[in-house]
Amino acid sequence: GENVEQHPSTLSVQEGDSAVIKCTYSDSASNYFPWYKQELGKGPQLIIDIRSNVGEKKDQRIAVTLNKTAKHFSLHITETQPEDSAVYFCAASRGNAGNMLTFGGGTRLMVKP
Amino acid sequence: EAQVTQNPRYLITVTGKKLTVTCSQNMNHEYMSWYRQDPGLGLRQIYYSMNVEVTDKGDVPEGYKVSRKEKRNFPLILESPSPNQTSLYFCASSLYPDGEYGYTFGSGTRLTVV
Repeated sequence: GENVEQHPSTLSVQEGDSAVIKCTYSDSASNYFPWYKQELGKGPQLIIDIRSNVGEKKDQRIAVTLNKTAKHFSLHITETQPEDSAVYFCAASRGNAGNMLTFGGGTRLMVKP
Repeated sequence: EAQVTQNPRYLITVTGKKLTVTCSQNMNHEYMSWYRQDPGLGLRQIYYSMNVEVTDKGDVPEGYKVSRKEKRNFPLILESPSPNQTSLYFCASSLYPDGEYGYTFGSGTRLTVV
């Protein structure tokens, strides 16, 4: 089955700096890669996703890049703000494969004011 | 409001005492899943359901049961809980397979088995 590894497990940045979280996956058939943000006491929430036919996607201060050859994808947050502090999860799936979304271990991002 | 509702939010129980965590969604989603979250391990899928009466095992199904008798409800059953099932549990639903376009997660159930 799919295995997703995520680094780093914790990340501390100064407000206004950029943050980068990296994930690698093992199943070359995976073609859908979402990122979720989990705030304290809440369930994860989808913030951005990318499919294998796209190399990069941006949404305001958030961007995701995908390298299918190397089987890794990354989340980039620019101009970080204290409200970006949360746990972030990457995930991978084959899409239409029966509801199997595999998550990485999570990254706790702390943005210091 | 579109949401996934889990109950209870917190539960402390003793080893071997059967329990059920309820999950209900109001979005008419076909796909529903249960995940457990443990530090450093991320979210691991326990069971998922593709429709009424259609369920399948995820990565960590041992010690758990599920049922999907109605589209909106997907309860998680622990017949004989053990301390290694102490965890944070999330129910999620989606309109598309594999959570494409996003899973909607519940607020979580923190279970402690002593």
